[in-house]
Amino acid sequence: GAVVSQHPSRVICKSGTSVKIECRSLDFQATTMFWYRQFPKQSLMLMATSNEGSKATYEQGVEKDKFLINHASLTLSTLTVTSAHPEDSSFYICSATQGEGYTFGSGTRLTVV
Amino acid sequence: DQQVKQNSPSLSVQEGRISILNCDYTNSMFDYFLWYKKYPAEGPTFLISISSIKDKNEDGRFTVFLNKSAKHLSLHIVPSQPGDSAVYFCAASVDFGNEKLTFGTGTRLTIIP
Repeated sequence: GAVVSQHPSRVICKSGTSVKIECRSLDFQATTMFWYRQFPKQSLMLMATSNEGSKATYEQGVEKDKFLINHASLTLSTLTVTSAHPEDSSFYICSATQGEGYTFGSGTRLTVV
Repeated sequence: DQQVKQNSPSLSVQEGRISILNCDYTNSMFDYFLWYKKYPAEGPTFLISISSIKDKNEDGRFTVFLNKSAKHLSLHIVPSQPGDSAVYFCAASVDFGNEKLTFGTGTRLTIIP
C-alpha cells in the first residue's frame, strides 16, 4: 500500500532556531499534502494544504511566515518551523493523497527548549 | 467551531464485548467519513470509511454506521480485543481524497481483559 515517510520522528531544538520536517510519499505521487498539528490530548488540527508547485493554503490562525511549507515535487513536502518557541512544541503529522485516499506519516515530536 | 465532535472522551469495554464509538458532525457538505486509530507519538492508522451514499460499511470486526439525517456516525468493534485500546478519531471530508480531513476530538478506548 501507499507509504508516507516523515522525518525526523523527534527533534529537540533551542528557542529561536529553525527546524525542518520532511514528508515523502515513497511509492506514489502525492498531488496534495496536508500538514497537521496535535497538542497533547487534543485533536489533529489542519495547519495547511500544499499542492506541488504552488503556494500552500494556510488555515486561519496559522502564521505562514512562521510555518514555511515547500512542496517542490510530487513526492516531497517540507515544513520549516522558523524561530521556534516553546509554544510550538507539538506533534506534527503530514498526510499525502493522490486522490484516492489519505496516507499519514508517522509524525514528528518537536520539543523547543 | 468544532465541525466534527466525539462527545465521549473515553470509553472502557470488557474484552469480547462490543465497543461503540460515536461521532457527530455539523457540516452537511461532508460526504465521506473515516475512522482512525492512533497511538501516542504515532501517525493515525486508517480503519474504515464510508461515503454518504451508504449507511453501513463492514470490514472484519469493524462496522461503521452513518445516519445522514441525524449527522451521526458510529464505529462498532466486535468482539473487542486488548489490542484495540487506543485513541479513535473520526474524520470527515467534503471530497474524498482531494480535500482536507476534519478530525473529531477523539475517544480513548480501553479494553479491559
